[in-house]
Amino acid sequence: NAGVTQTPKFRILKIGQSMTLQCTQDMNHNYMYWYRQDPGMGLKLIYYSVGAGITDKGEVPNGYNVSRSTTEDFPLRLELAAPSQTSVYFCASSFTFGTGGDSPLHFGNGTRLTVT
Amino acid sequence: EDQVTQSPEALRLQEGESSSLNCSYTVSGLRGLFWYRQDPGKGPEFLFTLYSAGEEKEKERLKATLTKKESFLHITAPKPEDSATYLCAVQANIVDSNYQLIWGAGTKLIIKP
Repeated sequence: NAGVTQTPKFRILKIGQSMTLQCTQDMNHNYMYWYRQDPGMGLKLIYYSVGAGITDKGEVPNGYNVSRSTTEDFPLRLELAAPSQTSVYFCASSFTFGTGGDSPLHFGNGTRLTVT
Repeated sequence: EDQVTQSPEALRLQEGESSSLNCSYTVSGLRGLFWYRQDPGKGPEFLFTLYSAGEEKEKERLKATLTKKESFLHITAPKPEDSATYLCAVQANIVDSNYQLIWGAGTKLIIKP
């Protein structure tokens, strides 16, 4: 079982460049999330989706865009990359919404992005 | 403001030396508190959910407990493979927040053989 798969694992961008971080899950989860993880800080929610065609902003959405055309895929788009977007990005999915209880979050292994 | 604080930031133990990690929280009505484990270069992996004060959950050498202000992750006779960063998250019982999780910064646990 693959679970949540993220690509690429590493990427270096120049300021102003754009890129898409890919995320796919094979658990038929309706709910998907994008988080960023910075040193010394807790995970911050960027965007989330409750199903195909439905997305919403999280805590730190500025500079990012998402789309959800299928249940499986939830790509994150960075437009005009800035040094402040240097971080580790995690995609996650869950069976029910936003919880960790009976439906824990399943995370991918992350994309480490450096913007210089 | 809802927040989660984990302490210590890092903890070094000898193999077999028991200890506890702390997760203090302030939230407007607790819906749930969650512990995750994160290995280097990996995503977090779910460990426990606690819903109400007094509740306890156990898994192998780990036991999580919950009070109205904090949670402890007790590790008994740890082994080197228990080395990881342990993350705590809380979920407020507020519909407007869409029940999103508030995460602590984590405690990095190192177990020396």
